Amino acid sequence: ETGVTQTPRHLVMGMTNKKSLKCEQHLGHNAMYWYKQSAKKPLELMFVYSLEERVENNSVPSRFSPECPNSSHLFLHLHTLQPEDSALYLCASSQDWAGRHEQFFGPGTRLTVL
Amino acid sequence: QKEVEQDPGPLSVPEGAIVSLNCTYSNSAFQYFMWYRQYSRKGPELLMYTYSSGNKEDGRFTAQVDKSSKYISLFIRDSQPSDSATYLCAMKVQGGSEKLVFGKGTKLTVNP
Repeated sequence: ETGVTQTPRHLVMGMTNKKSLKCEQHLGHNAMYWYKQSAKKPLELMFVYSLEERVENNSVPSRFSPECPNSSHLFLHLHTLQPEDSALYLCASSQDWAGRHEQFFGPGTRLTVL
Repeated sequence: QKEVEQDPGPLSVPEGAIVSLNCTYSNSAFQYFMWYRQYSRKGPELLMYTYSSGNKEDGRFTAQVDKSSKYISLFIRDSQPSDSATYLCAMKVQGGSEKLVFGKGTKLTVNP
């Protein structure tokens, strides 16, 4: 595997379900990100982890819970979601959080909440 | 006023056309300017990266930044059907850990 991988690629869940999204980066980067991409809206940064510590939390509802067990893996735990949470969830990584480093994106998980 | 404005299109052009994609912004502190390309069912990939003002060319792609007008552009020469994608502009202030701010993206279709 190379680059940034995400699983699952597609997820359909009910509002009472609990599920997790997984991201893995094979680039040796120190920073990882979760973004939400909705139709007709800009990418919204949700969480940033730098060296496994959360450094950014953009007023995201508590029904989204991130976890970064090591610098290569990032999870997004989902529970009691709402239909408006349906979107493409993108994971990204970069060499470091600060500075001009390029962010590399995974293919995303297409989430549908029924 | 939104921080970054980008016309979502869609934009449809014939093969071989010159394509111009644009973004305007309001934060004069932005110093890093990027264009990402996103194919259907894929994540965004970095296409062009410019620091401060000026032009940058890479093959058929040219990125321009006009900080006085708070306006950035991406030109695609001799457009190809494989250029059909959504193009996202993104920008960031210099230094620190400021986040990338994205435009909504412009959906481009190049017709053979």
